[in-house]
Amino acid sequence: AQTVTQSQPEMSVQEAETVTLSCTYDTSESDYYLFWYKQPPSRQMILVIRQEAYKQQNATENRFSVNFQKAAKSFSLKISDSQLGDAAMYFCAQNRDDKIIFGKGTRLHILP
Amino acid sequence: NAGVTQTPKFRILKIGQSMTLQCAQDMNHNYMYWYRQDPGMGLKLIYYSVGAGITDKGEVPNGYNVSRSTTEDFPLRLELAAPSQTSVYFCASSYVGGVSDTQYFGPGTRLTVL
Repeated sequence: AQTVTQSQPEMSVQEAETVTLSCTYDTSESDYYLFWYKQPPSRQMILVIRQEAYKQQNATENRFSVNFQKAAKSFSLKISDSQLGDAAMYFCAQNRDDKIIFGKGTRLHILP
Repeated sequence: NAGVTQTPKFRILKIGQSMTLQCAQDMNHNYMYWYRQDPGMGLKLIYYSVGAGITDKGEVPNGYNVSRSTTEDFPLRLELAAPSQTSVYFCASSYVGGVSDTQYFGPGTRLTVL
């Protein structure tokens, strides 16, 4: 069964510091997509960043970047210069056929 | 564009009651999805649709039904509500590329079954 694992249920980071959220996945496919979604207290799911597996270059979106290690099936999210608005649940996800499989999430706290 | 809209925002049901969660999108997306999110968990796919008239089961379809008569609407039906269906329900949509493209989520419906 295809799974997405986030081993850190909660993390805390000081404002303006850098934090890395971990994610591993399991797939037999060679081409696939990986995603990080943010869910703030408003419950709205927001796409943070996505990575296409056949692209070797790590995706970046402003302060958000990923470390994609295809052989290790690892897909971590780095948040630089953390801001109070980054406090949220973060979900790692991977596509399978026409569907997306989500991890259980990591709750990120930002300390002022 | 309103994006993806869901109604109602909150609902309390008694065991055995039925209801329909409404979902609509105005982005002309062909893919639409229903997820449920239990406390402290990620999202689990209930049903999805790749176009009008086409639906398919996800991971947790039991106790639910869907229909897709138009591109815009994708309602989720609960026939005999059970406490195990207490959850937050999200509808999402995406364009032609399916999961390779961004999924846009609605604000969610919090359902409690007592």
